[in-house]
Amino acid sequence: DAKTTQPTSMDCAEGRAANLPCNHSTISGNEYVYWYRQIHSQGPQYIIHGLKNNETNEMASLIITEDRKSSTLILPHATLRDTAVYYCIVRVGGSNYKLTFGKGTLLTVNP
Amino acid sequence: EAGVAQSPRYKIIEKRQSVAFWCNPISGHATLYWYQQILGQGPKLLIQFQNNGVVDDSQLPKDRFSAERLKGVDSTLKIQPAKLEDSAVYLCASSLGTGWGLAYEQYFGPGTRLTVT
Repeated sequence: DAKTTQPTSMDCAEGRAANLPCNHSTISGNEYVYWYRQIHSQGPQYIIHGLKNNETNEMASLIITEDRKSSTLILPHATLRDTAVYYCIVRVGGSNYKLTFGKGTLLTVNP
Repeated sequence: EAGVAQSPRYKIIEKRQSVAFWCNPISGHATLYWYQQILGQGPKLLIQFQNNGVVDDSQLPKDRFSAERLKGVDSTLKIQPAKLEDSAVYLCASSLGTGWGLAYEQYFGPGTRLTVT
């Protein structure tokens, strides 16, 4: 699986949009971009994934650049409960392919 | 729908002792995973089961770690003997099985925090 680069930490004000970047310059054509998050003392939670088109669900939006070398996870109205470590993972799609986690980005939402 | 259950939530043992963790996946999930998460790092896959067969155990330290999934449902992960570097959170996850789509993604339990002294 391609490696990813994420900032170690970010801050965001409550109610504002949180934009979390991820670089994946060596991504292959059949690899998807996945985002998970891990709230303190909990297991990771799936957020969203995409291949090349932008994706949106009830939790977040995923913007993937046209060359697919980077992406941004957007939490449109961050709350205190969104404080967590966010992991960007690139992998071949389907459940039979393992998740390889990096260190992720610690997002702290401040009141 | 009940999530992935794990027990115990916390365990403290001395080095060279043995310890076992238990995982009950989401009902109907055929695939089960065990991850090790050392403080400050992301989770690392130790072993993956499909029903009661092992799919991937390439990162399991087999000289001291063992895992089983009898009857294709619950699973136990054992460490014998434990070392100081085994201090970590052990996460269990499950997925519906081999397939594509949100329903086939991995769902994680809360983890067991192991401290080896």
